[in-house]
Amino acid sequence: DAKTTQPNSMESNEEEPVHLPCNHSTISGTDYIHWYRQLPSQGPEYVIHGLTSNVNNRMASLAIAEDRKSSTLILHRATLRDAAVYYCILRDRTSYDKVIFGPGTSLSVIP
Amino acid sequence: GAVVSQHPSRVICKSGTSVKIECRSLDFQATTMFWYRQFPKQSLMLMATSNEGSKATYEQGVEKDKFLINHASLTLSTLTVTSAHPEDSSFYICSARDPVGAEKLFFGSGTQLSVL
Repeated sequence: DAKTTQPNSMESNEEEPVHLPCNHSTISGTDYIHWYRQLPSQGPEYVIHGLTSNVNNRMASLAIAEDRKSSTLILHRATLRDAAVYYCILRDRTSYDKVIFGPGTSLSVIP
Repeated sequence: GAVVSQHPSRVICKSGTSVKIECRSLDFQATTMFWYRQFPKQSLMLMATSNEGSKATYEQGVEKDKFLINHASLTLSTLTVTSAHPEDSSFYICSARDPVGAEKLFFGSGTQLSVL
């Protein structure tokens, strides 16, 4: 899988938007961009994914750069329950390959 | 979404004993499951890929005789930590692919193993 880079940590105030960046300059044309998050002492959970166009769901929005070399996960109103480690991962849509996790971004939400 | 159930959520065992962790896909069939381990403040580390009806594929550096994986059915994969030692204490997590497509992964809630 192509590599992604994310900031180690970020902070946000409660009820404010959060923009979590991810760089993936070596992304290939068949890679989906996936985001997962892991709350303390739990397994990761799926957040959102996209290929080229921006995506929205009930949890978040995903903004993908035109050249696809970077993306941003947007939490529109951070809550205390959004405090977690957020992982940006590339998944090849042509193969069912294993998923390798990077260090992710640890998001702290300040009340 | 699909549900992956993992049991037990926490286990404490004595050094030298074996521990089995179960991972079940509750409402879908999973031909492939993944097993991860996670140390405190670190990311998930892939241990092995479990394939239904065939041998698991282990990542480099993971001892297959120590971490036995069995995927005997389309809804159950097990990880057995044999002759556990304190250094095996870790958070173990399983996952399965979304059967519908789009490459989503669903994860179990994890098993915290403590070896005394």
